[in-house]
Amino acid sequence: DQQVKQNSPSLSVQEGRISILNCDYTNSMFDYFLWYKKYPAEGPTFLISISSIKDKNEDGRFTVFLNKSAKHLSLHIVPSQPGDSAVYFCAASEGYSSASKIIFGSGTRLSIRP
Amino acid sequence: NAGVTQTPKFRVLKTGQSMTLLCAQDMNHEYMYWYRQDPGMGLRLIHYSVGEGTTAKGEVPDGYNVSRLKKQNFLLGLESAAPSQTSVYFCASSYHDKPGYTFGSGTRLTVV
Repeated sequence: DQQVKQNSPSLSVQEGRISILNCDYTNSMFDYFLWYKKYPAEGPTFLISISSIKDKNEDGRFTVFLNKSAKHLSLHIVPSQPGDSAVYFCAASEGYSSASKIIFGSGTRLSIRP
Repeated sequence: NAGVTQTPKFRVLKTGQSMTLLCAQDMNHEYMYWYRQDPGMGLRLIHYSVGEGTTAKGEVPDGYNVSRLKKQNFLLGLESAAPSQTSVYFCASSYHDKPGYTFGSGTRLTVV
């Protein structure tokens, strides 16, 4: 039973447009959420995070939105660039500290087309 | 600054063979983790360690053993490899009081 779900295995977006990646979770105890980006043959790299006390966190072109009542979060990338083509993993944990194990979703492959 | 280094990057094993994957980090991180990535499954935690000399089971620990004899190293062992252990293995490390992990570049293991 997956506690963190990314229901879209892939997404294709035109360069310059907005990319929206979605993630749902089932564990109501999760209170810290992260997005990781992964290029082929490399390890995942941390992208952006959000605490459950917030509903939005922005970092440059990347914004994460959290809807606690719906147990849903999304990552917005504006504008999308070719270098954004990668697999994006949503992740969640109980607690801010890394003592809490992070649970990952199955990933969404984002392709940015010219 | 190497970060997290995994050795080897690729390996092919025969069923029943054993091997050890090595993870080394130079960031003085207290916590270390081993994950496996399979298609459609995302990253699943195998074992983790919150400090030198300590280890704990994750979500999918069966068939694996780990050791953390030194703070900077975390070893993942397969005593008798099975085809179901064909996967990409990622090591990660983190500080105890900061979110987010630093991952290695992965080890692609094929068991035939």
